Amino acid sequence: GDSVTQMEGPVTLSEEAFLTINCTYTATGYPSLFWYVQYPGEGLQLLLKATKADDKGSNKGFEATYRKETTSFHLEKGSVQVSDSAVYFCALQDDKIIFGKGTRLHILP
Amino acid sequence: DAGVIQSPRHEVTEMGQEVTLRCKPISGHNSLFWYRQTMMRGLELLIYFNNNVPIDDSGMPEDRFSAKMPNASFSTLKIQPSEPRDSAVYFCASSFGLAERDPPFFGPGTRLTVL
Repeated sequence: GDSVTQMEGPVTLSEEAFLTINCTYTATGYPSLFWYVQYPGEGLQLLLKATKADDKGSNKGFEATYRKETTSFHLEKGSVQVSDSAVYFCALQDDKIIFGKGTRLHILP
Repeated sequence: DAGVIQSPRHEVTEMGQEVTLRCKPISGHNSLFWYRQTMMRGLELLIYFNNNVPIDDSGMPEDRFSAKMPNASFSTLKIQPSEPRDSAVYFCASSFGLAERDPPFFGPGTRLTVL
């Protein structure tokens, strides 16, 4: 069945560092791909999405490119801030949405 | 729009009691999802509805769990009887539709503690 694998956390970085959170997927069809962010005590919020191969989703300085050849959708940001500290979830949607286990990100001032 | 509304936000109950969680999806959304989040298992899809009809309930843990969607603006998730291992945060989410592959919007969650 379909699945999403993302890097284990926690990830700890200093402010202004470059961020990469890896995400790979397996799917029988042609899914849409998403990144969600969850701040403490809140629900998940959609961060960005890509619906077909080579699409690049972007929002709030975060980017991810739908790579069909490597079945990946890695999340990147050039310069992280303390306010980016949260849990990040990679997800795919074919007939239903499947989430990865989440990666906790800590940004140190 | 008020977003997805869930109630209660927190629930503490004793083992064996019935628990009912409630969800009001975003107006106009046709799909509704119930998820459970724990440290051990992460985010699990329990059940989802399309146009008020249950499409896939394969994630429902066992017969103690049941979900209904009597109309387009309301859904419930019931646990009877509750057990300590049911303690988790339960999220409801809604989207325009499965065919459109519209990503779901999540509610704030209900934190359930079963003693």
